Amino acid sequence: GDSVTQMEGPVTLSEEAFLTINCTYTATGYPSLFWYVQYPGEGLQLLLKATKADDKGSNKGFEATYRKETTSFHLEKGSVQVSDSAVYFCALTVGAAGNKLTFGGGTRVLVKP
Amino acid sequence: EAGVTQSPTHLIKTRGQQATLRCSPISGHTSVYWYQQALGLGLQFLLWYDEGEERNRGNFPPRFSGRQFPNYSSELNVNALELEDSALYLCASSPLGQGRETQYFGPGTRLLVL
Repeated sequence: GDSVTQMEGPVTLSEEAFLTINCTYTATGYPSLFWYVQYPGEGLQLLLKATKADDKGSNKGFEATYRKETTSFHLEKGSVQVSDSAVYFCALTVGAAGNKLTFGGGTRVLVKP
Repeated sequence: EAGVTQSPTHLIKTRGQQATLRCSPISGHTSVYWYQQALGLGLQFLLWYDEGEERNRGNFPPRFSGRQFPNYSSELNVNALELEDSALYLCASSPLGQGRETQYFGPGTRLLVL
């Protein structure tokens, strides 16, 4: 079956530090890859996505590149802010009609001033 | 453009009761998905509805059921509630055609079973 593995948190950083959250996947077909973010007490927000190999998704200073050869989709941000404190989920979906999302376990990020 | 909306925001029930959760997708989206986020269990896929039909179902017992209405809104029903059903229930929608692989989530309904 499909699965997503992401680094366990929590990840604690100082403001303006560099953030990397590792994500690797296994998929039965050709997946689309996503990063979602969940702020405390809220639902999920789509952060970025990539639908084919070598695509780079980017949004709000975050980036992730779809690496088919290493089955990875690592999330990076060059300079984090306190407002980036949240839980980040890597996810994939396989199928022409979208179908279900398979999520990683989530990584809690805490940015301290 | 309005996002996915869910109601109620919070729901408190006792064991054995039934819960009904509602979801309105983004205008123009025809697919609705339901997910459960239980403490310690992560995000689990529950159900997928498209064009009024159930298209896929996760590994949940039959007491979890739902439907999709002609206006594409959806209900999730949980019968014979158990304590472990306490969770955040998230609804998502996706469009028809271009971008249909991308799901957009609502704020969730937090269900507490006492």
